[in-house]
This record gives sequence, C-alpha cells and structure tokens, in this order.
Amino acid sequence: EAGVTQFPSHSVIEKGQTVTLRCDPISGHDNLYWYRRVMGKEIKFLLHFVKESKQDESGMPNNRFLAERTGGTYSTLKVQPAELEDSGVYFCASSQLTVSYNSPLHFGNGTRLTVT
Amino acid sequence: AQSVTQLGSHVSVSEGALVLLRCNYSSSVPPYLFWYVQYPNQGLQLLLKYTTGATLVKGINGFEAEFKKSETSFHLTKPSAHMSDAAEYFCAVTADISNFGNEKLTFGTGTRLTIIP
Repeated sequence: EAGVTQFPSHSVIEKGQTVTLRCDPISGHDNLYWYRRVMGKEIKFLLHFVKESKQDESGMPNNRFLAERTGGTYSTLKVQPAELEDSGVYFCASSQLTVSYNSPLHFGNGTRLTVT
Repeated sequence: AQSVTQLGSHVSVSEGALVLLRCNYSSSVPPYLFWYVQYPNQGLQLLLKYTTGATLVKGINGFEAEFKKSETSFHLTKPSAHMSDAAEYFCAVTADISNFGNEKLTFGTGTRLTIIP
C-alpha cells in the first residue's frame, strides 16, 4: 500500500510569504495528524482530524496557521504570513479509526520549511 | 499533562555493542509509551509500543523496551548494534484516550545514534 505522502519535501520562502503544505494519508485512514519539529527540539502535536472534522487543534501555534481536510481525504496546512520561527519539519501522520491502539500511526517523510 | 525526557541527544556505540537509549516520562495517568525511529530522509517508523500487559515489549529489528512504573522509565535496548541502526530515535507518551484511538503524542527531543565500525 502507498504510504503517507507529503508535498513538497522542501520549501524555502521569505518572511511574510504564504506556503501551503499538503498531506495525502493512506487510503481509508480517517485519522490525520499534523506534527512539527523545530530545529533540535521535540516533535510537537499541531492538530488532529477525524475524517473532515477537526477533533483537536490545541497545538496550532496561532491564527497564521490554517489546516483543512475537505472531503476527508488529503489535508493542507497553510501558513500565512510566514515568520522566521515557523521554520522546521512538518510531519503528517495517519491511522485507521479504532477504539484501541492497535492501529499504528503512519508518518510521512515530512516537509522541511525554511523561512528566511 | 505529559512530558518525555531523553537523556543524551547523541549516543555512539561500537558495532556489536549494547545499545541503550534512555527515556523517562511524566504522566498523571497510566501512560501509553512508544519508541519511533527516523532514518535519514524518511518519516518516523514505530519500533515498539507499550499499552497494557507485559512490561517488556519487543519491537522490530531486535529492539526491546521495558516499562518501569516505579522509575517512570521506558528505556530502549538492543543487545548487539548493527550499522543499519544508525538513526534518530524518539520516545513518546500519550494518555489521551478517546473513542477515536487518538494518538496525540508527546515526544522527547530525540537521540541520534551513531554506530562506530
């Protein structure tokens, strides 16, 4: 089966510009998560979709970040306007909807965002 | 709230030697614990996880970890290191149980493992 796919793999933008990251989860996975790792620090949870609904967006840094998952398939994460501190690696992950932890979380390779 | 501490951002071991990567956690409720590995230019891959039951958990590639509640630890070990084990390893915890199997994970800062030939 195809894994979680993220586009682009790298993005370099200037402060104040807009960037949109895309994540295609594994087909049939209703859970979709966004995480971010700022250089040298821990990977932090941003938000969680169940199908097209935002289940938990408590980790979103501020209102410059907007995540969508129209139709419950792929998801986008837009940063507008980008700031220097937004630089990092953005990971997407997906899993099946389940009441237990038997469904593993599958991660994409990440998008490395550099804001200059 | 949960937190994870990984002691040692960089660990080097000789090929064939024991690998020990340390992880301590903090959680106000019984935790679910995970180890993930990230190889260069790849995403995170689950090595093993502890949910309930047996405290010694075996994972892929010969790794195992033991949940020690009294020590709030979940250290990762492998008896004999291989060159292919060179990667970054992340310990994670969650106590966020929901009907959706929510894996809202709290990660440590990671440990980069280098294998010396």
